[in-house]
Order: sequence, then C-alpha cells, then structure tokens
Amino acid sequence: NAGVTQTPKFQVLKTGQSMTLQCAQDMNHNSMYWYRQDPGMGLRLIYYSASEGTTDKGEVPNGYNVSRLNKREFSLRLESAAPSQTSVYFCASTPTATYGYTFGSGTRLTVV
Amino acid sequence: AQKITQTQPGMFVQEKEAVTLDCTYDTSDPSYGLFWYKQPSSGEMIFLIYQGSYDQQNATEGRYSLNFQKARKSANLVISASQLGDSAMYFCAMRGTGNQFYFGTGTSLTVIP
Repeated sequence: NAGVTQTPKFQVLKTGQSMTLQCAQDMNHNSMYWYRQDPGMGLRLIYYSASEGTTDKGEVPNGYNVSRLNKREFSLRLESAAPSQTSVYFCASTPTATYGYTFGSGTRLTVV
Repeated sequence: AQKITQTQPGMFVQEKEAVTLDCTYDTSDPSYGLFWYKQPSSGEMIFLIYQGSYDQQNATEGRYSLNFQKARKSANLVISASQLGDSAMYFCAMRGTGNQFYFGTGTSLTVIP
C-alpha cells in the first residue's frame, strides 16, 4: 500500500547511545517532516525537508540531525540519546502545502 | 507568531449527538490552510478535513464539517451523529510560512453509548 513507512516501531536506548529513525514514502511527495509527540504538547516539528536536497530546522531541533537521502527517504538521527528524547516520533509527507500530511505509523522511543 | 489553540482537553458526547471541537489560530499571513486530524488509541494520525483561508464556503467531508469564522480566527470541527468509533484525540493544525504545519495540543473526545 502506498504511504509513509517508518522503522522501527519501537526502540529502547540507553542514555548516550545513537540511532537512526528511517522514513520512506512512495507517493512522490516533495516535502517530508519529522515530528515528536509528547503528552499535553501536541506535535512539535523537529526538522523538515521542503524538497530533495534541502533541510531546515523546526521548533525543537536540538539533539537531532536529519538526512534527505533522496526524494523518497528522510532519516532522523539521535547522536547521543537523552531521557528527554523519550517520545513518539512521526514522519510525514505532503506533495504541496495545500494538502494535508500523510503520516507514518510512528516510532515509540524510550531512552533509559 | 503562528499558533494554534485548542482549549478543550477533553470532551464527552452521547452517541448519535453532534459535537463541536474548538480551535482558534493566530497568523499574520493572508494565505494559510487549516486542517483537522484524528488520532485513535492505535496511534496513527488520520487526515479529516481541510479549509483554505480563501475558501468562501465551509469545508465538509461526510459527517465532518469545519465551521470557519475568519474574522474570529476560529476553525471549529463539527462531528454530526457521533459514533463510538469517533472516540479519539483530535488535533487542529495550520499550514504556515515555509510549508510548516503547527499543531494544537489536542482534544480527547469520548463518545458515550
């Protein structure tokens, strides 16, 4: 099925470990986004890529890096995980800003 | 500054009744878009409805309608004939500058049989 695929779905990290969250979409969308969702905070934008080859910081970029590998793939990297990064992470994509996002199913990350 | 405000942390509605979920927004851009998403307990985010700032008529999608009052900067979601499956978190969002989307903190809706 066409859509946004995120891997992994669940992950537990120890403080200081690194990991990369993968996101791929097969809808030929130009823009891709990474959000985190915390209780009572809604969704907050970490980084986004308006088009292939560009990335920009969102509201909460500290502690994260991203790579727009090609038009399909947009990865999020935590270089040194901290307990404050325990959250649910969503990847999303959209063809243009007029359309709503298509979201991935989310990654539940726990940092202990 | 661009901001979305949802002031109702939780709402209850009787099955088959209508319910309105409130959303106000703040932007200085003349062109913007407003969206509603549903997040059931399974966690996925489901797009419900879209309203453009220049749209003259309120958007409707099946049992969902968006009550857009531009002067008041409000974009309330109306769900008619509530069903048990409507129990979920609902998020209002706005497309702002740079193609960024801003989300509210959400409203938890519980439909009572």
